[in-house]
Amino acid sequence: DIVLTQAPLSSPVTLGQPASISCRSSQSLVHSDGNTYLNWLQQRPGQPPRLLIYKISNRFSGVPDRFSGSGAGTDFTLKISRVEAEDVGVYYCLHSTQFPHTFGQGTKLEIK
Amino acid sequence: EVQLVESGGGLVQPGGSLRLSCVASGFDLSSHWIHWVRHRPGKGLLQVSEINSDGRITNHADSVKGRFTISRDNAKNTVFLQMNSLRAEDTAVYYCVRGSHGWNGVDYWGQGALVTVSS
Repeated sequence: DIVLTQAPLSSPVTLGQPASISCRSSQSLVHSDGNTYLNWLQQRPGQPPRLLIYKISNRFSGVPDRFSGSGAGTDFTLKISRVEAEDVGVYYCLHSTQFPHTFGQGTKLEIK
Repeated sequence: EVQLVESGGGLVQPGGSLRLSCVASGFDLSSHWIHWVRHRPGKGLLQVSEINSDGRITNHADSVKGRFTISRDNAKNTVFLQMNSLRAEDTAVYYCVRGSHGWNGVDYWGQGALVTVSS
């Protein structure tokens, strides 16, 4: 199975400041169709996970444009340009290139 | 509005069985893969099982292979997860997750069903 490693595991951020989360894969996530299926999820307290970013850099429906994704191959990044109070929660990277899909350990975003 | 509603969770003894159901609404279930993902307390997320749109293709994680079975009834807009020979380590919140249309991934998640395996 592909292993996804996130860093940091905890990120205290000041409101209005940027935040960045890294996700590194144990092997290439390029699918045979040429796409790279690296996605990002947000899980707010008491809520199920919610899709934020798919295929590295595409924002899902309703996701604010302060969220952005980048990367290629085995190294990927989620960035929040200006953190808001509603962004508190745990962020996971997820690959869907092959079965089983696997998840990063999660990064807990909290406000300083 | 896309909705996925899980039911059937609860407390079961080790070695027992449970059947989770996921009722879909707001979209054409027959056009989507469906996945079950679990979140164990203090542990990470794990994709447990997946099923293709017509039910002919299924996959199960090694940790549940031979014990869990995923199935679907598109006419009833429902996907099932039959869980047998349950173990304490199967205790988790189980999420029903919709496979995306047009790209290889998942998008909408249900609220989850809690399964507790304990004597």
